Amino acid sequence: QVTLRESGPALVKPTQTLTLTCTFSGFSLSTSGMCVSWVRQPPGKALEWLAVIDWDDDKYYSASLMTRLTISKDTSKNQVVLTMTNMDPVDTATYFCARINEGASGSTQFDHWGQGTLVTVPS
Amino acid sequence: SYVLTQPPSVSVAPGQTARITCGGNNIGSKSVHWYQQKPGQAPVLVVYDDSDRPSGIPERFSGSNSGNTATLTISRVEAGDEADYYCQVWDSGSDHFYVFGTGTKVTVL
Repeated sequence: QVTLRESGPALVKPTQTLTLTCTFSGFSLSTSGMCVSWVRQPPGKALEWLAVIDWDDDKYYSASLMTRLTISKDTSKNQVVLTMTNMDPVDTATYFCARINEGASGSTQFDHWGQGTLVTVPS
Repeated sequence: SYVLTQPPSVSVAPGQTARITCGGNNIGSKSVHWYQQKPGQAPVLVVYDDSDRPSGIPERFSGSNSGNTATLTISRVEAGDEADYYCQVWDSGSDHFYVFGTGTKVTVL
């Protein structure tokens, strides 16, 4: 059974750095084809992809945010960490982590999601 | 960057068919995935690779993709289908590799 769970601060002040942790079970990020990604959703708005890390430690970022994002993994702890610098009120959103199992066919869908964590940046 | 456009809302009576479109440049050449999101919950994958269903998703959910439009079809709509729906593709040429649509609110009348 695959599960993912996000953790981190609910409130971050402007200009501070946000650190979120995704703790997962039911799969290993050392298995070929496995990836964990971060997606966010401002209140009442659409989903926005942020970053992904794969089993081979390859990392990809949204071009609009890549100067502020860092994604990393700790395979032994089954965790993926996302940091976002210089937080702003527009970064207020629910942040989700999600799994991609590329498998043999190069699948690109998010097949399992965490429940999300709401991060608020006050103005 | 690659843009996916969905209608903001679709309304449908119980028992009828809802069709949600996702428009993108030559989207027919890409694999399209669809997610259902109920208020306060995480998205759930309901269709992947244009028309495949994950285990546990009812056959009432189906998908198609051709040309510049992908479509999610919900047959025999139930009250529990009321939710936001998002399409998603992976675009290697985009600066946002994983692209989500603008989202569609499905209201069951």
